[in-house]
Amino acid sequence: DTEVTQTPKHLVMGMTNKKSLKCEQHMGHRAMYWYKQKAKKPPELMFVYSYEKLSINESVPSRFSPECPNSSLLNLHLHALQPEDSALYLCASSAGSGRAVYEQYFGPGTRLTVT
Amino acid sequence: AQTVTQSQPEMSVQEAETVTLSCTYDTSESDYYLFWYKQPPSRQMILVIRQEAYKQQNATENRFSVNFQKAAKSFSLKISDSQLGDAAMYFCASPKRSGGSYIPTFGRGTSLIVHP
Repeated sequence: DTEVTQTPKHLVMGMTNKKSLKCEQHMGHRAMYWYKQKAKKPPELMFVYSYEKLSINESVPSRFSPECPNSSLLNLHLHALQPEDSALYLCASSAGSGRAVYEQYFGPGTRLTVT
Repeated sequence: AQTVTQSQPEMSVQEAETVTLSCTYDTSESDYYLFWYKQPPSRQMILVIRQEAYKQQNATENRFSVNFQKAAKSFSLKISDSQLGDAAMYFCASPKRSGGSYIPTFGRGTSLIVHP
């Protein structure tokens, strides 16, 4: 199984809502990532989890809160978002992150619209 | 700062023709891989090809091959016999060290249009 799954595929939320994005992989990968991507732009890294511990937070606003309940699951909790947060949110995983050799496996993304 | 530069925002190719997408990178690492990813419209980003930096031989995957010039820090992607399904955004990526981890640095992408 070389798949990264993400739910939901689409999400529309108001600025006062609380919602969560979910990501799952069963490849035994030890590193998982959240990215934000705007149209025709490269993914922007938000968070990295390595061995279920948060290892990188790219100065993301606190209205985004990541969680890694176990080695297969990654969540992104959303609260009080702004319209400019509307984007495609990608989850990815890799076998590790301690060497400069690991390829990333991407999920299909969640298309988020903040109204 | 480590950077990845894709100087072609958009490229066009006729079906069955060959096209080359350029990428230059900057790294201080000695052991690293380089990657090309493809993201079709509204579809998942997937790995196209990887190159191990310590290997002189250029990587190939069917119709996809790279021209890796380590000294020049150049890593271009050649697509032969282009097909309509090759139309996508292509991102070149090089690992960047951040604390104890390596994270990918992506170029700005090249949008490939394939004309029938």
